[in-house]
Amino acid sequence: GIQVEQSPPDLILQEGANSTLRCNFSDSVNNLQWFHQNPWGQLINLFYIPSGTKQNGRLSATTVATERYSLLYISSSQTTDSGVYFCAVERNSGTYKYIFGTGTRLKVLA
Amino acid sequence: NAGVTQTPKFQVLKTGQSMTLQCAQDMNHNSMYWYRQDPGMGLRLIYYSASEGTTDKGEVPNGYNVSRLNKREFSLRLESAAPSQTSVYFCASSEMGGDGYTFGSGTRLTVV
Repeated sequence: GIQVEQSPPDLILQEGANSTLRCNFSDSVNNLQWFHQNPWGQLINLFYIPSGTKQNGRLSATTVATERYSLLYISSSQTTDSGVYFCAVERNSGTYKYIFGTGTRLKVLA
Repeated sequence: NAGVTQTPKFQVLKTGQSMTLQCAQDMNHNSMYWYRQDPGMGLRLIYYSASEGTTDKGEVPNGYNVSRLNKREFSLRLESAAPSQTSVYFCASSEMGGDGYTFGSGTRLTVV
Protein backbone atom coordinates (compact mmCIF):
# COMPACT_ATOMS: atom_id res chain seq x y z
CA GLY A 1 0.00 0.00 0.00
CA ILE A 2 0.90 3.64 -0.18
CA GLN A 3 3.39 4.94 2.38
CA VAL A 4 3.05 8.39 3.94
CA GLU A 5 6.12 9.77 5.68
CA GLN A 6 6.23 13.00 7.64
CA SER A 7 9.26 14.94 8.75
CA PRO A 8 10.52 15.98 11.14
CA PRO A 9 8.88 13.68 13.69
CA ASP A 10 9.38 16.24 16.46
CA LEU A 11 9.93 19.98 16.40
CA ILE A 12 10.43 22.54 19.15
CA LEU A 13 10.17 26.25 18.33
CA GLN A 14 10.31 29.53 20.13
CA GLU A 15 7.19 31.62 19.77
CA GLY A 16 7.46 33.79 16.67
CA ALA A 17 9.61 31.36 14.67
CA ASN A 18 8.68 29.95 11.28
CA SER A 19 8.66 26.28 10.32
CA THR A 20 8.10 23.91 7.41
CA LEU A 21 6.61 20.45 7.81
CA ARG A 22 6.96 17.92 5.03
CA CYS A 23 4.81 15.02 3.85
CA ASN A 24 6.17 12.54 1.30
CA PHE A 25 4.02 9.85 -0.26
CA SER A 26 5.12 6.81 -2.20
CA ASP A 27 2.56 6.77 -4.99
CA SER A 28 0.30 9.11 -6.89
CA VAL A 29 -2.68 10.40 -4.94
CA ASN A 30 -5.96 12.05 -5.78
CA ASN A 31 -6.49 13.94 -2.57
CA LEU A 32 -4.39 15.20 0.31
CA GLN A 33 -5.34 16.89 3.56
CA TRP A 34 -3.53 18.41 6.51
CA PHE A 35 -4.91 18.13 10.05
CA HIS A 36 -3.94 19.54 13.42
CA GLN A 37 -4.53 17.57 16.61
CA ASN A 38 -4.36 19.87 19.61
CA PRO A 39 -2.99 18.77 23.00
CA TRP A 40 -6.56 17.89 24.10
CA GLY A 41 -6.95 15.45 21.23
CA GLN A 42 -9.29 17.43 18.99
CA LEU A 43 -8.61 17.03 15.26
CA ILE A 44 -9.10 20.04 13.02
CA ASN A 45 -8.97 20.06 9.24
CA LEU A 46 -6.46 22.66 8.04
CA PHE A 47 -6.28 22.22 4.29
CA TYR A 48 -7.84 20.12 1.58
CA ILE A 49 -5.07 20.43 -0.99
CA PRO A 50 -4.66 17.77 -3.69
CA SER A 51 -2.46 20.19 -5.65
CA GLY A 52 -1.32 23.79 -5.69
CA THR A 53 -1.03 26.27 -2.85
CA LYS A 54 -3.50 27.52 -0.26
CA GLN A 55 -3.20 30.00 2.56
CA ASN A 56 -5.20 30.52 5.71
CA GLY A 57 -3.84 33.23 7.98
CA ARG A 58 -0.40 32.24 9.26
CA LEU A 59 -0.66 28.78 7.71
CA SER A 60 -0.12 27.84 4.12
CA ALA A 61 0.29 24.57 2.27
CA THR A 62 1.70 23.48 -1.05
CA THR A 63 1.25 20.13 -2.74
CA VAL A 64 3.38 19.08 -5.71
CA ALA A 65 1.55 15.94 -6.71
CA THR A 66 3.90 15.09 -9.58
CA GLU A 67 6.83 14.98 -7.15
CA ARG A 68 4.81 13.27 -4.41
CA TYR A 69 5.16 15.70 -1.55
CA SER A 70 3.32 18.39 0.35
CA LEU A 71 4.59 21.14 2.64
CA LEU A 72 2.86 22.91 5.50
CA TYR A 73 4.28 26.31 6.45
CA ILE A 74 3.66 27.86 9.84
CA SER A 75 4.73 31.48 10.17
CA SER A 76 5.08 33.51 13.39
CA SER A 77 4.27 30.43 15.48
CA GLN A 78 2.18 30.75 18.63
CA THR A 79 1.83 28.46 21.63
CA THR A 80 -1.63 27.52 20.37
CA ASP A 81 0.01 25.95 17.31
CA SER A 82 1.37 23.16 19.53
CA GLY A 83 0.11 19.66 18.88
CA VAL A 84 0.51 17.04 16.17
CA TYR A 85 0.20 17.78 12.47
CA PHE A 86 -0.95 14.96 10.21
CA CYS A 87 -1.14 14.68 6.48
CA ALA A 88 -3.53 12.16 4.95
CA VAL A 89 -3.75 10.97 1.36
CA GLU A 90 -6.40 9.28 -0.73
CA ARG A 91 -4.90 6.90 -3.28
CA ASN A 92 -7.83 6.48 -5.66
CA SER A 93 -10.56 9.00 -6.18
CA GLY A 94 -13.85 7.88 -4.74
CA THR A 95 -12.48 5.25 -2.36
CA TYR A 96 -12.49 7.65 0.63
CA LYS A 97 -9.67 5.59 2.13
CA TYR A 98 -7.48 8.27 3.60
CA ILE A 99 -4.10 6.98 4.80
CA PHE A 100 -2.56 9.04 7.57
CA GLY A 101 1.10 9.70 8.20
CA THR A 102 2.48 9.29 11.73
CA GLY A 103 2.57 13.04 12.25
CA THR A 104 4.92 15.83 13.27
CA ARG A 105 4.73 16.71 16.95
CA LEU A 106 5.22 20.47 17.38
CA LYS A 107 5.85 22.27 20.63
CA VAL A 108 5.96 26.07 20.63
CA LEU A 109 7.61 27.63 23.67
CA ALA A 110 6.57 31.00 25.05
CA ASN B 1 -23.45 23.80 17.33
CA ALA B 2 -22.82 22.19 13.95
CA GLY B 3 -20.46 19.28 13.94
CA VAL B 4 -19.91 15.61 14.69
CA THR B 5 -21.11 14.21 18.02
CA GLN B 6 -19.73 10.97 19.44
CA THR B 7 -20.98 9.04 22.43
CA PRO B 8 -19.77 7.90 24.87
CA LYS B 9 -16.57 9.88 25.52
CA PHE B 10 -15.05 7.20 27.75
CA GLN B 11 -15.76 3.50 28.17
CA VAL B 12 -14.17 0.57 29.97
CA LEU B 13 -15.11 -2.93 28.82
CA LYS B 14 -14.20 -6.39 29.94
CA THR B 15 -12.81 -8.80 27.37
CA GLY B 16 -15.68 -10.41 25.48
CA GLN B 17 -18.23 -7.68 26.17
CA SER B 18 -19.96 -5.90 23.31
CA MET B 19 -20.76 -2.25 22.78
CA THR B 20 -21.79 0.26 20.14
CA LEU B 21 -20.17 3.62 19.58
CA GLN B 22 -22.59 6.22 18.29
CA CYS B 23 -21.84 9.04 15.85
CA ALA B 24 -24.12 11.72 14.45
CA GLN B 25 -23.42 14.70 12.19
CA ASP B 26 -25.63 17.68 11.39
CA MET B 27 -23.76 19.12 8.40
CA ASN B 28 -25.68 17.17 5.79
CA HIS B 29 -22.48 15.40 4.74
CA ASN B 30 -22.77 12.35 2.54
CA SER B 31 -19.69 10.47 3.76
CA MET B 32 -18.86 9.21 7.25
CA TYR B 33 -15.85 7.39 8.69
CA TRP B 34 -14.59 5.53 11.73
CA TYR B 35 -10.89 5.70 12.66
CA ARG B 36 -8.83 4.41 15.55
CA GLN B 37 -5.75 6.11 16.94
CA ASP B 38 -3.18 4.22 18.94
CA PRO B 39 -0.39 5.90 20.96
CA GLY B 40 2.29 7.50 18.81
CA MET B 41 0.53 6.60 15.60
CA GLY B 42 -1.59 8.28 13.04
CA LEU B 43 -5.21 7.41 12.46
CA ARG B 44 -6.20 4.16 10.77
CA LEU B 45 -9.46 3.81 8.90
CA ILE B 46 -11.74 1.06 10.22
CA TYR B 47 -14.84 1.46 8.07
CA TYR B 48 -16.39 4.17 5.99
CA SER B 49 -19.70 4.99 4.36
CA ALA B 50 -19.45 6.93 1.11
CA SER B 51 -23.16 7.66 1.13
CA GLU B 52 -26.32 6.63 2.91
CA GLY B 53 -26.95 2.93 2.39
CA THR B 54 -23.35 1.96 1.66
CA THR B 55 -20.48 0.83 3.86
CA ASP B 56 -17.03 -0.51 3.09
CA LYS B 57 -13.95 -1.77 4.88
CA GLY B 58 -10.95 0.37 5.61
CA GLU B 59 -7.44 -0.63 6.70
CA VAL B 60 -8.30 -2.41 9.97
CA PRO B 61 -11.91 -3.74 9.87
CA ASN B 62 -11.44 -7.04 11.73
CA GLY B 63 -13.44 -7.25 14.95
CA TYR B 64 -15.80 -4.40 14.03
CA ASN B 65 -19.13 -3.91 12.32
CA VAL B 66 -20.85 -0.71 11.25
CA SER B 67 -24.33 0.53 10.46
CA ARG B 68 -25.23 3.63 8.48
CA LEU B 69 -28.59 4.15 10.13
CA ASN B 70 -29.52 7.20 8.05
CA LYS B 71 -27.70 10.15 6.52
CA ARG B 72 -26.89 11.61 9.95
CA GLU B 73 -25.85 8.54 11.95
CA PHE B 74 -23.06 5.99 11.61
CA SER B 75 -22.45 3.51 14.43
CA LEU B 76 -19.51 1.22 15.17
CA ARG B 77 -20.04 -2.06 17.01
CA LEU B 78 -17.57 -4.27 18.82
CA GLU B 79 -19.19 -7.68 19.14
CA SER B 80 -16.59 -9.27 21.44
CA ALA B 81 -14.10 -6.73 22.72
CA ALA B 82 -10.41 -7.64 22.95
CA PRO B 83 -7.54 -5.82 24.70
CA SER B 84 -6.06 -5.06 21.25
CA GLN B 85 -9.08 -2.84 20.63
CA THR B 86 -8.04 -0.48 23.39
CA SER B 87 -7.71 2.79 21.52
CA VAL B 88 -9.19 6.20 20.88
CA TYR B 89 -11.94 6.06 18.28
CA PHE B 90 -12.80 8.99 16.07
CA CYS B 91 -15.80 9.45 13.85
CA ALA B 92 -15.65 11.92 10.96
CA SER B 93 -17.82 13.16 8.14
CA SER B 94 -17.18 14.96 4.88
CA GLU B 95 -18.56 15.89 1.53
CA MET B 96 -17.97 13.26 -1.12
CA GLY B 97 -14.29 13.21 -1.96
CA GLY B 98 -13.21 14.46 1.43
CA ASP B 99 -13.77 18.20 1.40
CA GLY B 100 -14.91 19.66 4.70
CA TYR B 101 -13.55 16.78 6.78
CA THR B 102 -14.84 17.17 10.35
CA PHE B 103 -13.95 14.95 13.29
CA GLY B 104 -15.83 14.21 16.48
CA SER B 105 -14.11 14.62 19.83
CA GLY B 106 -13.30 10.92 20.17
CA THR B 107 -14.15 7.97 22.41
CA ARG B 108 -11.44 6.61 24.66
CA LEU B 109 -12.04 2.87 24.97
CA THR B 110 -10.17 0.58 27.34
CA VAL B 111 -10.65 -3.19 27.20
CA VAL B 112 -9.40 -5.05 30.27
